[in-house]
Amino acid sequence: GAGVSQSPRYKVAKRGQDVALRCDPISGHVSLFWYQQALGQGPEFLTYFQNEAQLDKSGLPSDRFFAERPEGSVSTLKIQRTQQEDSAVYLCASSLADRRNGGANVLTFGAGSRLTVL
Amino acid sequence: AQKVTQAQTEISVVEKEDVTLDCVYETRDTTYYLFWYKQPPSGELVFLIRRNSFDEQNEISGRYSWNFQKSTSSFNFTITASQVVDSAVYFCALILLTGSNYQLIWGAGTKLIIKP
Repeated sequence: GAGVSQSPRYKVAKRGQDVALRCDPISGHVSLFWYQQALGQGPEFLTYFQNEAQLDKSGLPSDRFFAERPEGSVSTLKIQRTQQEDSAVYLCASSLADRRNGGANVLTFGAGSRLTVL
Repeated sequence: AQKVTQAQTEISVVEKEDVTLDCVYETRDTTYYLFWYKQPPSGELVFLIRRNSFDEQNEISGRYSWNFQKSTSSFNFTITASQVVDSAVYFCALILLTGSNYQLIWGAGTKLIIKP
């Protein structure tokens, strides 16, 4: 597609529920990033994919967070047993090159998925 | 320590005023990249500019201009004749590529409010 598409835009979950957030990057983009953005803060890195390979998951806050990109295009971020502190906007970004060789590549962001855990 | 500081949490000006958003970075690397992104209320982070550490030339794009000063480790952003549509949160970011490591460090953002 023309841009990075994320769904759902808004998600309300009860504490303890599992949620799945979807990211559809720009077609052909090698790199895909997930970020978490709390209100009034900058984005915090969660995980990075180069095609289907998850090369960096150092930012995932706990083992309740899981991400996949099985065919190197669409990615899903799953949060199990959601907690109130998981409430945030989850941003997905993609770029054409891999982050090491094209590190200065511009990231194209989606509009984010706002998760509210009650 | 690698860090990006945007000391101004929020700035409010009246339309048509000029406004400068400050960004100060810290790194010992000699090669790095600096970015500005805009985040309007819709939520998407929109790319504005990229600079590499070897290019200190200032840039102007319409009403936007950027002043990169390595001597003070600053990469400030000025909007001339501000408009209501400029209201957004603006983020400064630093990319470091050291060996096989990649780091993208974000500032906390400056919320810019342009009043009509």
